[in-house]
Amino acid sequence: GAGVSQSPSNKVTEKGKDVELRCDPISGHTALYWYRQSLGQGLEFLIYFQGNSAPDKSGLPSDRFSAERTGGSVSTLTIQRTQQEDSAVYLCASSLFDLRLAKEQFFGPGTRLTVL
Amino acid sequence: TQLLEQSPQFLSIQEGENLTVYCNSSSVFSSLQWYRQEPGEGPVLLVTVVTGGEVKKLKRLTFQFGDARKDSSLHITAAQPGDTGLYLCAGVTYSGGGADGLTFGKGTHLIIQP
Repeated sequence: GAGVSQSPSNKVTEKGKDVELRCDPISGHTALYWYRQSLGQGLEFLIYFQGNSAPDKSGLPSDRFSAERTGGSVSTLTIQRTQQEDSAVYLCASSLFDLRLAKEQFFGPGTRLTVL
Repeated sequence: TQLLEQSPQFLSIQEGENLTVYCNSSSVFSSLQWYRQEPGEGPVLLVTVVTGGEVKKLKRLTFQFGDARKDSSLHITAAQPGDTGLYLCAGVTYSGGGADGLTFGKGTHLIIQP
């Protein structure tokens, strides 16, 4: 079956511009996560969606970052007034929500964002 | 805040050698996951260990969860160039669900020289 897809795969933008990154999770997965990975680093949690519940935004680094998930499926991460320090790979993951089992996350290939 | 320390950060060895990478924390986790990430791709789950002291084998890879469920190790026997990648550990806790239940380490960059 289809995995998690993200678009665009690469995005180059100028400082101060807004960008939108898209994530299509695996069909039927109720949980969706956004992470940021800087060069050579681990994953930094940004935001989490679970079904129709209010998202966990505790990882968003500033109010320039926002995300939405429409219809419990596709998600968009928006970065306003981009800064050079926003340059990173943005990864999306989805999973089945099951408290009884460890949560396996399925990752997309990421969007590489470069802010000039 | 729960932290996972991975060591070494970088490791480059020759094909056929053995290696061990470590994932340590002062926190207790319900379970621990190991992922491998190749350049330009997202991480892919290798294994989940759940019980303290548990050992799981995946071909040449052996994963161990510490008795106290605070640490884990990944041992690779007779490493192959195809093992090259970034190895990430992630600790899972149950706190009513939510992403605060999954904490990633910074990873070990592994290069296997042919």
